Amino acid sequence: GENVEQHPSTLSVQEGDSAVIKCTYSDSASNYFPWYKQELGKGPQLIIDIRSNVGEKKDQRIAVTLNKTAKHFSLHITETQPEDSAVYFCAALLEGNEKLTFGTGTRLTIIP
Amino acid sequence: DSGVTQTPKHLITATGQRVTLRCSPRSGDLSVYWYQQSLDQGLQFLIQYYNGEERAKGNILERFSAQQFPDLHSELNLSSLELGDSALYFCASSVAGGPGEQYFGPGTRLTVT
Repeated sequence: GENVEQHPSTLSVQEGDSAVIKCTYSDSASNYFPWYKQELGKGPQLIIDIRSNVGEKKDQRIAVTLNKTAKHFSLHITETQPEDSAVYFCAALLEGNEKLTFGTGTRLTIIP
Repeated sequence: DSGVTQTPKHLITATGQRVTLRCSPRSGDLSVYWYQQSLDQGLQFLIQYYNGEERAKGNILERFSAQQFPDLHSELNLSSLELGDSALYFCASSVAGGPGEQYFGPGTRLTVT
């Protein structure tokens, strides 16, 4: 089955700086890679996703890049704000499968 | 607000008991997924239903079962509860059965004492 590794487990950045979270996946047949943000006491919220036929996707301050050859994908948050503080999860979905395999999460803290 | 609703928000029960968690998907979504989130196991996929039928199974224990009703709401039944079953249980929904956006509900926090 698919295995997703996520780094770092914790990340602190100054407000206004950029944050990068990286994930690697094991199965080259995975074709869908979403990122979720989870705030305390809430369910995961889909913030951006990318499919295997695309190398990069951007939505305002958030971008995701995918390197299929190396089997890794990254989340980039620019101009970070205090409300970006949360736990972020990457995930991968295997083609023909229905289940998301999640990374272990990154706790992002934005320092005012 | 994702549009996915889950009840109850909190549940405290004793070992050996049985509980039922309920999920209503977003309007128009046919697929419902159940996930368990614990500190040591992270977010784990349990089971998926699509339009009333089981579509995929993950790391779901035999003591756990689920179903999706004709109105598309779903219930997750947990029986013979153990201390280790204490966790957050999330339901997610998506429009179709294939790879697409899954939207999560607020979760049910289960505490087994």
